[in-house]
Amino acid sequence: RKEVEQDPGPFNVPEGATVAFNCTYSNSASQSFFWYRQDCRKEPKLLMSVYSSGNEDGRFTAQLNRASQYISLLIRDSKLSDSATYLCASRTGGFKTIFGAGTRLFVKA
Amino acid sequence: GAGVSQSPSNKVTEKGKDVELRCDPISGHTALYWYRQSLGQGLEFLIYFQGNSAPDKSGLPSDRFSAERTGGSVSTLTIQRTQQEDSAVYLCASSHPLTSGGYNEQFFGPGTRLTVL
Repeated sequence: RKEVEQDPGPFNVPEGATVAFNCTYSNSASQSFFWYRQDCRKEPKLLMSVYSSGNEDGRFTAQLNRASQYISLLIRDSKLSDSATYLCASRTGGFKTIFGAGTRLFVKA
Repeated sequence: GAGVSQSPSNKVTEKGKDVELRCDPISGHTALYWYRQSLGQGLEFLIYFQGNSAPDKSGLPSDRFSAERTGGSVSTLTIQRTQQEDSAVYLCASSHPLTSGGYNEQFFGPGTRLTVL
């Protein structure tokens, strides 16, 4: 079993839709969690850190459920420009960060 | 420069040759990471450095892979006797341990696309 798992998708949604991604992690010692966005043939860029209490940044909401060991990302009012691959990541003590394989999102007009 | 840079951007080599990939992290970033991303796959952790030391080398796929970092800055990932399965994009990232809120955002370079023929 991979340490961080995501639904690979792809998710195909119309503009304006709400879409949710889930990610599970197996290492209970994981301390920090992140969502990164990766455009085609580009490097990943941090979208959001995930805080224990959940956090929101505009149309994006991230949540953490430690008991069930999953994190989620909700995108509201999807835009064409949201089309990308979304990678979740977990970090244990120290700096080692494990990434999921990513979920591809296509937003269509 | 302002961001993480990597060189070369593309490398085509023949099976059995050695290759060196270079990463220049953001100035002042003490942590440096190497990942590998195969086509359509996620990021595979290889190794990270804190300063010049590598506390965790567990991700290196085999003893053909090695990495070093000198002066707390530039890092080199070396692959000896390359194999076709080594073909991938090799990404480097750096982070500073004292970002606001204590969360360590990793800034990625553009990667080196390695093709082993």
